[in-house]
Amino acid sequence: DAGVTQSPTHLIKTRGQQVTLRCSPKSGHDTVSWYQQALGQGPQFIFQYYEEEERQRGNFPDRFSGHQFPNYSSELNVNALLLGDSALYLCASSPGPGEAFFGQGTRLTVV
Amino acid sequence: QKEVEQDPGPLSVPEGAIVSLNCTYSNSAFQYFMWYRQYSRKGPELLMYTYSSGNKEDGRFTAQVDKSSKYISLFIRDSQPSDSATYLCAMSEDNFNKFYFGSGTKLNVKP
Repeated sequence: DAGVTQSPTHLIKTRGQQVTLRCSPKSGHDTVSWYQQALGQGPQFIFQYYEEEERQRGNFPDRFSGHQFPNYSSELNVNALLLGDSALYLCASSPGPGEAFFGQGTRLTVV
Repeated sequence: QKEVEQDPGPLSVPEGAIVSLNCTYSNSAFQYFMWYRQYSRKGPELLMYTYSSGNKEDGRFTAQVDKSSKYISLFIRDSQPSDSATYLCAMSEDNFNKFYFGSGTKLNVKP
């Protein structure tokens, strides 16, 4: 059983560009959450998708948007990239409350 | 004040030592408490999760939650060099898995 998979692994973008990150949850998990982890910090909640709708959102600007597909996979889109958006972006899938399994992350560098 | 506080360390111990990792929090609504291990440049790996107060044991790991003191702990017995990683605590208020993370404690177990 594959775990949570994310693509790409690494990405370098120029300030002002747009980026799309992808996530496939563990089999049977219908809830996908996205987190941003800056260097030396804990992950910060961006938003969560369930049944193809955004269910919860953290304190991130509208430049951060997402989507969930019928097969539960998800995308994170970031527009108008800033240098401060450089971070490890983590996707987590959940089978129920209290448990979330993370992917390996996508390391985004904005130059 | 952050919702979840965690000593960043680093914590250095000899192989075989008992390790104690701790987090404090301010939000009394937190009900689910998790511990994750994160190796450098990897995604967090779920070690333990606990609902409400009490203890939970899994192999060499024991998680404790004291809601009255807003304090959680992770104990690692017979620590191994392979336990060297950053340990993150995480908490959520409800079933929906919006996690609030500590900033992580870096642990180094010396052979």
